[in-house]
Amino acid sequence: AQSVTQLGSHVSVSEGALVLLRCNYSSSVPPYLFWYVQYPNQGLQLLLKYTTGATLVKGINGFEAEFKKSETSFHLTKPSAHMSDAAEYFCAVSEGSSNTGKLIFGQGTTLQVKP
Amino acid sequence: GAGVSQSPRYKVTKRGQDVTLRCDPISSHATLYWYQQALGQGPEFLTYFNYEAQPDKSGLPSDRFSAERPEGSISTLTIQRTEQRDSAMYRCASSYPAGGSTDTQYFGPGTRLTVL
Repeated sequence: AQSVTQLGSHVSVSEGALVLLRCNYSSSVPPYLFWYVQYPNQGLQLLLKYTTGATLVKGINGFEAEFKKSETSFHLTKPSAHMSDAAEYFCAVSEGSSNTGKLIFGQGTTLQVKP
Repeated sequence: GAGVSQSPRYKVTKRGQDVTLRCDPISSHATLYWYQQALGQGPEFLTYFNYEAQPDKSGLPSDRFSAERPEGSISTLTIQRTEQRDSAMYRCASSYPAGGSTDTQYFGPGTRLTVL
């Protein structure tokens, strides 16, 4: 069975500092990996996804993530945090074997950005 | 429509009552998903539809939960005899073309259900 673990339910950074949100997954088949962001009172929005090919994936708003198979990780980074990045971030894995699109989410990480 | 919409946005009900939640997906999207999100947790899969077919109900917590999508567009999620443990955010998402594992899912704003 597939699972996702996000290390740290709350992360706080200063504006301009590096953002690093950690995600580790468990999967018996090659995974498809996603990062979604949720702003208050809005639906989840896709930041980026890894399916195949290049392991460094660039997304919207300056975020990127690197798929590391040996570490079973898909950490999300951004070089310089902005106040508007404050939100909740979810890592998810898709069940590739069944091809249903069913997503398994981590518990989420709330990012706080301090001025 | 321009995005996925859900109604109502908030629902407060008393234990034992039935509730029906509605999802209106993006008009060109064949696949529709329902997720349940408890406070402080990530969304958990409930069920999904390809057009009007419902291939996977494995995430529905009990037989009190049911979903339908009779014409392959709007979907409803019904919870019968609600219990306090059903209190959660219910999220709907849609994707194109056919719900593959690499497709992007577009989420609605969710319905916050509170069972008193």
